Amino acid sequence: SQELEQSPQSLIVQEGKNLTINCTSSKTLYGLYWYKQKYGEGLIFLMMLQKGGEEKSHEKITAKLDEKKQQSSLHITASQPSHAGIYLCGAVTNGNNRLAFGKGNQVVVIP
Amino acid sequence: DVKVTQSSRYLVKRTGEKVFLECVQDMDHENMFWYRQDPGLGLRLIYFSYDVKMKEKGDIPEGYSVSREKKERFSLILESASTNQTSMYLCASSSGTDYNEKLFFGSGTQLSVL
Repeated sequence: SQELEQSPQSLIVQEGKNLTINCTSSKTLYGLYWYKQKYGEGLIFLMMLQKGGEEKSHEKITAKLDEKKQQSSLHITASQPSHAGIYLCGAVTNGNNRLAFGKGNQVVVIP
Repeated sequence: DVKVTQSSRYLVKRTGEKVFLECVQDMDHENMFWYRQDPGLGLRLIYFSYDVKMKEKGDIPEGYSVSREKKERFSLILESASTNQTSMYLCASSSGTDYNEKLFFGSGTQLSVL
């Protein structure tokens, strides 16, 4: 069963605008990964969060894991066309022995 | 950097054919995975392996089998390809015994079954 819900499913933003996408789990997360995928290609690792309240940044992308460890948000500041793609969250939850993924957030950045 | 290589980028096969998808990783990782990705369904785990000659079913193993004769190579086999197996197939690997390890992905194989 799908345990990770990503929202919004798709998002169109103007270049230079900020955006936030979310990943919500029905179970406690024991590690949350964000990956990015260009259309028709493999997944590129962005960040991993493990501790409740943890926040990590890389260039203009910031990801947070909430205190209860059931939701993560990914925020992009001043979006650029290079930020376009599908963002997938993956996580191990209690009772699973492998990484499960959400369905992804499709981000389109209009120049 | 870890490299996960999938043998084909695009593949076109006919219904009923036996299809082999090959994946090789160069970082001595213990764990290897096969996912398929379909629009609206996301990534779904087909099979995974945590050691040579070991395999475990994922969420959608029906119609597939796997082979791991060497640590670096994990093959996905479609015994008799069907049109509903048209999909993007992604191979991944990770190290260690903790399943919470970061996955490294290949570039994917887009398989079309006609």
